[in-house]
Amino acid sequence: TQLLEQSPQFLSIQEGENLTVYCNSSSVFSSLQWYRQEPGEGPVLLVTVVTGGEVKKLKRLTFQFGDARKDSSLHITAAQPGDTGLYLCAGRIISGNTPLVFGKGTRLSVIA
Amino acid sequence: DSGVTQTPKHLITATGQRVTLRCSPRSGDLSVYWYQQSLDQGLQFLIQYYNGEERAKGNILERFSAQQFPDLHSELNLSSLELGDSALYFCASSGGPIGFSEQFFGPGTRLTVL
Repeated sequence: TQLLEQSPQFLSIQEGENLTVYCNSSSVFSSLQWYRQEPGEGPVLLVTVVTGGEVKKLKRLTFQFGDARKDSSLHITAAQPGDTGLYLCAGRIISGNTPLVFGKGTRLSVIA
Repeated sequence: DSGVTQTPKHLITATGQRVTLRCSPRSGDLSVYWYQQSLDQGLQFLIQYYNGEERAKGNILERFSAQQFPDLHSELNLSSLELGDSALYFCASSGGPIGFSEQFFGPGTRLTVL
């Protein structure tokens, strides 16, 4: 059983479109992170959210942590080919220097 | 560049063999984590070391072991390799023992078991 479920698994869109990917769990997380991973490389941290209801923006990316701290979403506005990659959410159930639990990811392809 | 280095980049070996993967954390980071990434399971946490001591254990097989040395680099040893061990192995590092800590990932080692 996957603790963090991500949807959709795959997403292929045209340049300029908007999209939202989701990360859901039945467990409460002390914090949640979003990573982007490109082929042949390790995941790179995009953002960390720690407060229920928190919204963070990173240029065209908007991240939201659910009020109950069980889910999160990533919204990309006007997607560009450079946004192509595997988007992973990861959470900590216990705060501190503890291991991350990862979802399986959403593989995004943005076509020019 | 995350500051975390992993060697080798690629490793091809046969079933039944033993390999060692190496990780050097970011300068100043005391924690090292090992993760395995496969297509069907995603990124799975294996084990964490903090300042030389084992801190947490995840889905690590008994055939696998790890250690962190006084200079803080870490090695992951995989023995009696099976076809299913073929995967990407990532090392990540983070800072102190308390409070919220970001993890920074290395570029990974791709292991292929034939």
